Amino acid sequence: NAGVTQTPKFQVLKTGQSMTLQCAQDMNHEYMSWYRQDPGMGLRLIHYSVGAGITDQGEVPNGYNVSRSTTEDFPLRLLSAAPSQTSVYFCASSYSANANYGYTFGSGTRLTVV
Amino acid sequence: AQSVTQLGSHVSVSEGALVLLRCNYSSSVPPYLFWYVQYPNQGLQLLLKYTSAATLVKGINGFEAEFKKSETSFHLTKPSAHMSDAAEYFCAVTEGGNNRLAFGKGNQVVVIP
Repeated sequence: NAGVTQTPKFQVLKTGQSMTLQCAQDMNHEYMSWYRQDPGMGLRLIHYSVGAGITDQGEVPNGYNVSRSTTEDFPLRLLSAAPSQTSVYFCASSYSANANYGYTFGSGTRLTVV
Repeated sequence: AQSVTQLGSHVSVSEGALVLLRCNYSSSVPPYLFWYVQYPNQGLQLLLKYTSAATLVKGINGFEAEFKKSETSFHLTKPSAHMSDAAEYFCAVTEGGNNRLAFGKGNQVVVIP
C-alpha cells in the first residue's frame, strides 16, 4: 500500500519555466489537496478537489493550476515559475468529505526557482 | 482570518521534561481538531484527532491532547520528552465546507539532552 506518492522529490527550475508536480494515491480517496510549506508560515492550501472533475481554489492559488481527471491523480502545474514559488509542496488525500478521517500526506516535493 | 493559533515557533524542552504545545482555534461550529508531526525531510503524520467523542484524546508516541470548548483550546502534551520527539508539530482545524483543514504555523520542538 503506497499511500500518497509525490514526484519528483527535488526540482530546480529557472524563472519562467513550467512544470508539473505529480501526486497519486492508491487508497480510493475522494478528497485531494495541495499545500505549500514555508518557514514560519505553516501549511497553506493551494487547491483542492472533492472528486474527479471537481476542483476549487484554496488560500494561495495564484500561479498554480490543477485538474482531476481520475480519482487517483491530482497534478499541480506551475505555468511560469517565479522565485516566490520556492517552497516545499505537499499533496494530501482523505477518504471522504468527512474530516473525521484526517489526511494522509505525501513526502513532499522541494522546489527551488532561481 | 486565522483559524488556528500556535504560539512560540521554537520550543526547547529538556529530555524527560513535560512537553506542552498550545493550540487555540476559532470556529463558529463544533470543530474537528488534529495534531500532526513532521520529522525532518518527511511528510506530516497524524498524531491524534478530536472528533466530538472523548475530550481527552490519546495519540501515538505517548502524546495526548485535551479539547476545552470554553477555552477554544486543544493543547498537546507528553509527560516526558524523548530525544526522538524533536520535530515540528502542527495543529489543524476543519474550516468551512468541503473538508478543508487549516493549519497553524507550527512549533519546532528541540529536545535538550
